[in-house]
Amino acid sequence: NAGVTQTPKFRVLKTGQSMTLLCAQDMNHEYMYWYRQDPGMGLRLIHYSVGEGTTAKGEVPDGYNVSRLKKQNFLLGLESAAPSQTSVYFCASSYSAGLQHFGDGTRLSIL
Amino acid sequence: AQSVTQLDSQVPVFEEAPVELRCNYSSSVSVYLFWYVQYPNQGLQLLLKYLSGSTLVKGINGFEAEFNKSQTSFHLRKPSVHISDTAEYVCAVSGGYGQNFVFGPGTRLSVLP
Repeated sequence: NAGVTQTPKFRVLKTGQSMTLLCAQDMNHEYMYWYRQDPGMGLRLIHYSVGEGTTAKGEVPDGYNVSRLKKQNFLLGLESAAPSQTSVYFCASSYSAGLQHFGDGTRLSIL
Repeated sequence: AQSVTQLDSQVPVFEEAPVELRCNYSSSVSVYLFWYVQYPNQGLQLLLKYLSGSTLVKGINGFEAEFNKSQTSFHLRKPSVHISDTAEYVCAVSGGYGQNFVFGPGTRLSVLP
């Protein structure tokens, strides 16, 4: 049982480049989330989805877009990467309130 | 809106000593409370949760936490720590689903030999 899988695990981008982070879960969860984790700030919610075909903005959505075309996948896109987006990105999924299952994270550096 | 405070950013403790990691929250609604543990280069793993019922909650790896509504606290405790408990511990509060889930900044527990 893989749980929540994030790809890639590491990536280095140049300012202005675009990329997509993939999150896949095999637990049939309705809810999926993208967070970023920065030192001393805790996890901050970027976007989330309450079901296939639906997405909503979280606390820090600017500069990111998401899509949930399939229930098991939640994609996070950066259209034009900026150094301020250097962070560790975590995907999570849940069936009900608070029981979030996390992936191992993607370390993204923007030069 | 909810918020979570973890006053101690780092807690060093000797092996086999007891430890308490503090978590305080603010919320205008009933809350669910959680403690997660994060090992290096890994995601968060649920340690324990309080949804309702008994205010003393027992989790994995010998950890427990007590919900105190009057003090709006949910402190995490372990009577005797091991080297393997060295990790980041994150407190979280939820008033329901989705955007209502708020994480604290984390406390780095370092267990010394």
